Amino acid sequence: SQELEQSPQSLIVQEGKNLTINCTSSKTLYGLYWYKQKYGEGLIFLMMLQKGGEEKSHEKITAKLDEKKQQSSLHITASQPSHAGIYLCGADPSGSARQLTFGSGTQLTVLP
Amino acid sequence: DTGVSQDPRHKITKRGQNVTFRCDPISEHNRLYWYRQTLGQGPEFLTYFQNEAQLEKSRLLSDRFSAERPKGSFSTLEIQRTEQGDSAMYLCASSFLPDTQYFGPGTRLTVL
Repeated sequence: SQELEQSPQSLIVQEGKNLTINCTSSKTLYGLYWYKQKYGEGLIFLMMLQKGGEEKSHEKITAKLDEKKQQSSLHITASQPSHAGIYLCGADPSGSARQLTFGSGTQLTVLP
Repeated sequence: DTGVSQDPRHKITKRGQNVTFRCDPISEHNRLYWYRQTLGQGPEFLTYFQNEAQLEKSRLLSDRFSAERPKGSFSTLEIQRTEQGDSAMYLCASSFLPDTQYFGPGTRLTVL
């Protein structure tokens, strides 16, 4: 079965700093999804990557999928308190889009 | 655009009782998914529906769990004879065909 490992598990940064969260898969990724979750709430979709080398950006958040399609990174530029939350990467283990496997998340705290 | 809704948002029950949760997907979405999330972990897949057909079930879905989607619209997840280990956040997601899954706010279950 596919496993996703996220690093770091938690991150505390000062407002305005840049940061990177990594997601490494034990198998080739068919599709890699990034979600954000506030404590006790549902997941908010951020971005989806499918092709090796693909890079997508939304506002100050950029996600990349490496060429070998086994690792993704999420980069936040000039962090703000609104970026605080839990970032989860999810992957489609079989390419059938019938389920997602998730990492255990990265807890981000942004200090004002 | 109405997102995925779940009801109730919180449920406290005593061990041995039955509970039922409801999920209303985004209206044009034909795929519906249930996940379970415990503290500090990413969501774990439980089951998947395409229209009214339940096409995939995780081994996590013991015989005390049953899910239905009778008319291909809303879905219910029932847990019979609840145990303390069932305490978790139950998340519902929907998608249109094999596409991005959009999550609801979740139902937090506490079994005393």
